[in-house]
Amino acid sequence: EAGVAQSPRYKIIEKRQSVAFWCNPISGHATLYWYQQILGQGPKLLIQFQNNGVVDDSQLPKDRFSAERLKGVDSTLKIQPAKLEDSAVYLCASSPDRVNTEAFFGQGTRLTVV
Amino acid sequence: AQSVTQPDIHITVSEGASLELRCNYSYGATPYLFWYVQSPGQGLQLLLKYFSGDTLVQGIKGFEAEFKRSQSSFNLRKPSVHWSDAAEYFCAVGAPGSARQLTFGSGTQLTVLP
Repeated sequence: EAGVAQSPRYKIIEKRQSVAFWCNPISGHATLYWYQQILGQGPKLLIQFQNNGVVDDSQLPKDRFSAERLKGVDSTLKIQPAKLEDSAVYLCASSPDRVNTEAFFGQGTRLTVV
Repeated sequence: AQSVTQPDIHITVSEGASLELRCNYSYGATPYLFWYVQSPGQGLQLLLKYFSGDTLVQGIKGFEAEFKRSQSSFNLRKPSVHWSDAAEYFCAVGAPGSARQLTFGSGTQLTVLP
């Protein structure tokens, strides 16, 4: 089966600009996650969707980050305006809606804010 | 709150030598436990997982891990390391029933010498 698709793979922007990342989860996976991975750290959950509803966005910096999952499939994560400290890899993951299953990760989008 | 500690930031081993990567977690009950591997520019690949039952779990690429409740540990082992194992390894913990929302350790970078 096809894996989690993310685009773009790389993005360089100047601070205060906006940027958007796209994620297409594995077909049929109800749950979708966005993680932020800063260099030298483990991934940190930003937001979790169940179908098209938000389950947890407690660690999402809502003053500048937003995410949506229209129709419960694809998702976009937006940063506006970007700060230098937003430089990181943004990983999307998905999982099926049943217990005792793991999440499957995409290759990520590496964002550099200059 | 759950947390994961990977005390070794960087480990170097010779090819063919054995490997053990340490992972300690903090959680009120028995969590779901995972080891992921990340190669440069790639997403996270699941090596193995523990949900319940046998405390010694086998994974892909010849890796295994042992869950020790008394020590709150889930160390990753491999009897003979291959050069292709060089990568970053992440231990992660998830709450039972919501195993997909993970808390990651900061990772251990593995270097393999020829």
